[in-house]
Amino acid sequence: SQTIHQWPATLVQPVGSPLSLECTVEGTSNPNLYWYRQAAGRGLQLLFYSVGIGQISSEVPQNLSASRPQDRQFILSSKKLLLSDSGFYLCAGTPGNTEAFFGQGTRLTVV
Amino acid sequence: ILNVEQSPQSLHVQEGDSTNFTCSFPSSNFYALHWYRWETAKSPEALFVMTLNGDEKKKGRISATLNTKEGYSYLYIKGSQPEDSATYLCAFMTAGNKLTFGGGTRVLVKP
Repeated sequence: SQTIHQWPATLVQPVGSPLSLECTVEGTSNPNLYWYRQAAGRGLQLLFYSVGIGQISSEVPQNLSASRPQDRQFILSSKKLLLSDSGFYLCAGTPGNTEAFFGQGTRLTVV
Repeated sequence: ILNVEQSPQSLHVQEGDSTNFTCSFPSSNFYALHWYRWETAKSPEALFVMTLNGDEKKKGRISATLNTKEGYSYLYIKGSQPEDSATYLCAFMTAGNKLTFGGGTRVLVKP
């Protein structure tokens, strides 16, 4: 079965510091990969998705970026964090037209 | 940005009662409609992936219907139990593999 390893589980970062969140996939090749953010009391907002190596679609203009350097690796980055970047970040994948599988999520607090 | 709307945002159900709630999505560029159950501190759990207009799927006491022409899906819970308490998410997938979630319906089943 497919799994996603996402780390860290929690992170506290100062405003203006950089960010790098990584997820890696096991159990499938060439998955579609997604980064979502849940702000407090809100739903899952799609940030980026990728259908292949080096292919990134951005959904919301912001100070975040994503990269997919390898088939099973998806990275979310920021050069300078803002207070508004706080939230729960979730990496997900779909092997095709089937159900998605998810990482455990990262709770980011920007202070 | 695709609009995937779920209503209501939350509902309280008495144990043993049945309930249902709605997901609305764009009627164009449809590929699949997903339903997930999400409990706090856990990864979302897949319930259904539906692709055909008129689809009806069932898993235990939970079932779902799909109308792609008018852009809505219903999720039904029959004979609600306390363990059904969770947030239920729908997600709309386009032919380009973009997976957009609704805001969720938070269900609380009271004993």
